Amino acid sequence: DAGITQSPRHKVTETGTPVTLRCHQTENHRYMYWYRQDPGHGLRLIHYSYGVKDTDKGEVSDGYSVSRSKTEDFLLTLESATSSQTSVYFCAISSGTGNTYEQYFGPGTRLTVT
Amino acid sequence: TQLLEQSPQFLSIQEGENLTVYCNSSSVFSSLQWYRQEPGEGPVLLVTVVTGGEVKKLKRLTFQFGDARKDSSLHITAAQPGDTGLYLCAGEDRGSTLGRLYFGRGTQLTVWP
Repeated sequence: DAGITQSPRHKVTETGTPVTLRCHQTENHRYMYWYRQDPGHGLRLIHYSYGVKDTDKGEVSDGYSVSRSKTEDFLLTLESATSSQTSVYFCAISSGTGNTYEQYFGPGTRLTVT
Repeated sequence: TQLLEQSPQFLSIQEGENLTVYCNSSSVFSSLQWYRQEPGEGPVLLVTVVTGGEVKKLKRLTFQFGDARKDSSLHITAAQPGDTGLYLCAGEDRGSTLGRLYFGRGTQLTVWP
């Protein structure tokens, strides 16, 4: 158990509304990531963080923003949700120690934008 | 750009059969990881291979990293219904952003009793 929780686990929202998803970790890992998973596309990186207040864009960052004000929390915000953002969102963490950057995933948030 | 290609995309077999899943790329990776994901859950790390030609075994699962570190395979011996799930490979490229993984699209395995 990598000590990762995501909230909410399920959410239905209307087009045009802002939505914030939260990822919380208990093990002080440096790296945190937000992915979305869609049928036929696999896992795609949205944004990632390599430390408090240090974030960068992934391959599908348009329409999303992130913040990391504390080591343990990484927030993903959809400024104005669209139907194309209906997806399952996963948070992941990595300690970045040793020879590899193994990632450990949270349970996911299923978001539906109507 | 999809850096990692997995095949087959779907695999449906009977209990007791053997199978191999492939993960191929034109890029060299510093390490390659295999994950299994069950419905409604996040991916779970199975193994990491780092050295070209490396072979790792996890019970009935055998993982191999290609000599050139561009490809990998997962072989399951005597598959069981409990092996059912989505298998994902992910490559780490130290030449790009540290800590970033590139995922394949996955192989959906179903093992029938």
